[in-house]
Amino acid sequence: GEDVEQSLFLSVREGDSSVINCTYTDSSSTYLYWYKQEPGAGLQLLTYIFSNMDMKQDQRLTVLLNKKDKHLSLRIADTQTGDSAIYFCAESIGINTGTASKLTFGTGTRLQVTL
Amino acid sequence: ETGVTQTPRHLVMGMTNKKSLKCEQHLGHNAMYWYKQSAKKPLELMFVYNFKEQTENNSVPSRFSPECPNSSHLFLHLHTLQPEDSALYLCASSLGPQGELFFGEGSRLTVL
Repeated sequence: GEDVEQSLFLSVREGDSSVINCTYTDSSSTYLYWYKQEPGAGLQLLTYIFSNMDMKQDQRLTVLLNKKDKHLSLRIADTQTGDSAIYFCAESIGINTGTASKLTFGTGTRLQVTL
Repeated sequence: ETGVTQTPRHLVMGMTNKKSLKCEQHLGHNAMYWYKQSAKKPLELMFVYNFKEQTENNSVPSRFSPECPNSSHLFLHLHTLQPEDSALYLCASSLGPQGELFFGEGSRLTVL
């Protein structure tokens, strides 16, 4: 079955880089996603990567995908206090941008940014 | 301002009460979803509607009853809930079943 795992908590200092890790089990995943949930809010799509890519960069965000090890990571450069949130990894086996009903989410990693 | 609005934001109910959660999207989407978010657990998909028709029901107990009168509105009717049903209930919408999900801010439910 599908399973997505993340550590529950990460604390970093402001200005440092944050790396949030995720492992998944379904080798047929076609898209992998990172969502951000700020306090009292719903989830917001941050970025996604197609399974035939190794890396995707978007401003301060870098996504790395190791398909062999089924490992996904999100690196946030120059982490700011506004980055404090819960970050969810999700995988999809959809054939296009991902059939939403086929998304499997992880437990979320709470990122705490300290001064 | 979010394009997906959920009310109420907080709800406390007893196990014998009947209440409803409401979701409205202003994005012109035609697929709508209910998710359950519990602490330290993965987000759980409950129901999916596409063009008002229910396309998924992930083995959700019958004490949760969804209703989708049109593509912009989604309800979750609650009755005889259990304390373990306490969670954040998130509504989402997408342009189609393969589109990007847009989430509401959630309704925090506490069952006493």
